[in-house]
Amino acid sequence: TQLLEQSPQFLSIQEGENLTVYCNSSSVFSSLQWYRQEPGEGPVLLVTVVTGGEVKKLKRLTFQFGDARKDSSLHITAAQPGDTGLYLCAGGSGGSQGNLIFGKGTKLSVKP
Amino acid sequence: GAVVSQHPSRVICKSGTSVKIECRSLDFQATTMFWYRQFPKQSLMLMATSNEGSKATYEQGVEKDKFLINHASLTLSTLTVTSAHPEDSSFYICSASPWGDRGSYNSPLHFGNGTRLTVT
Repeated sequence: TQLLEQSPQFLSIQEGENLTVYCNSSSVFSSLQWYRQEPGEGPVLLVTVVTGGEVKKLKRLTFQFGDARKDSSLHITAAQPGDTGLYLCAGGSGGSQGNLIFGKGTKLSVKP
Repeated sequence: GAVVSQHPSRVICKSGTSVKIECRSLDFQATTMFWYRQFPKQSLMLMATSNEGSKATYEQGVEKDKFLINHASLTLSTLTVTSAHPEDSSFYICSASPWGDRGSYNSPLHFGNGTRLTVT
């Protein structure tokens, strides 16, 4: 069974601080996706990484896929209150139907 | 971009009644949709995979007679919670991938905005 361990589970920081969220597994994934979810809404895709060692940047967010495609990280620079939300990593298992295995999520709170 | 519409967004029902939740892909076809359940401050738990024109595939521990899934067209899947009880109260979310039909392994999922079910 493929599992994704996400850490930390909760994170509360001040505006302007940097943070990193980790997503780890003992299994290899064909792709790793990061989603952000706000209360009462569905998750929204932030990025997909597919190549080992790949780094993608989305404004102040930097996503990295591990060389062995077993882990990923999300780094946020100079966090803002608008970054508050639940961040979910999800691994593609390679099935053609597109199902994903989700981590338990990181609840981020950025205080002004 | 690909849009998934979920309806209703909130529903309150009495114990013993049934509730139907709809999930529609508005601008693409989806032979496969997924239904999740999410408890407060927790991640998504996959309940079942809805397949157009065939029976849904349920995850272990999910009662298929309790959570009826119908995927009658390429743009609509429904989840019916039958004989609802207070413990069924939860946030239900559906998702679909517009590229799933092409067998892409890296297809991102597009989610509905969820349905908050409260059973009294």
